[in-house]
Amino acid sequence: QVQLQESGPGLVKPSQTLSLTCTVSGGSIGGGGYYWSWIRQHPGKGLEWVGHIYYSGSTYYNPSLKSRVTISVDTSKNQFSLKLSSVTAADTAVYYCARARTASHWFDPWGQGSLVTVSS
Amino acid sequence: QSALTQPPSASGSPGQSVTISCTGTSSDVGGYNYVSWYQQHPGKAPKLMIYEVSKRPSGVPDRFSGSKSGNTASLTVSGLQAEDEADYYCSSYAGSNTPYVFGTGTKVTVL
Repeated sequence: QVQLQESGPGLVKPSQTLSLTCTVSGGSIGGGGYYWSWIRQHPGKGLEWVGHIYYSGSTYYNPSLKSRVTISVDTSKNQFSLKLSSVTAADTAVYYCARARTASHWFDPWGQGSLVTVSS
Repeated sequence: QSALTQPPSASGSPGQSVTISCTGTSSDVGGYNYVSWYQQHPGKAPKLMIYEVSKRPSGVPDRFSGSKSGNTASLTVSGLQAEDEADYYCSSYAGSNTPYVFGTGTKVTVL
């Protein structure tokens, strides 16, 4: 079955750019029918949708983060990536990648999550 | 887009039922039949339990059921078991501008 795995630095300095990659196995990003998504969870808090990308490269971002977020896809590597610029301590969170069904808008499966701490 | 409103906590004894509400607006929960529910155990990733308001993915026990009335969706866990103790989040499609909104989360405790 499809599995997702996040990777990237666990510590980022304030004002720098957070970068994470999600590797998809057991299925192809290029197959269509799904949005490849990033969702974050602040420590002890709820879930926040960050944005997603379609295999064609079309992107949608949370308006509250839109000015700082870039999501890209590399279908040859079966990966998609998140970049969040000008980070502050408020961006400290567990970042999950997940697959979202385009037709019915559910998220499954999810990656295990990657804790990113913003600190000097 | 504001988060969907869920009660912070809910509880029940083993074998009992617990129902969690998820209240939104006509722009999200009330406007689409695309409400989903996720179970999250401590330190783990969320797991899809219900999609399209009331459909269960393969492998999810039929003790879990979902419904919707107006701007409020609900998740019911019947025959509570110890392993059901977890945080539960609802999510709804909310249109093309901000496609997805999550609920505030409910901690379910099995007494």
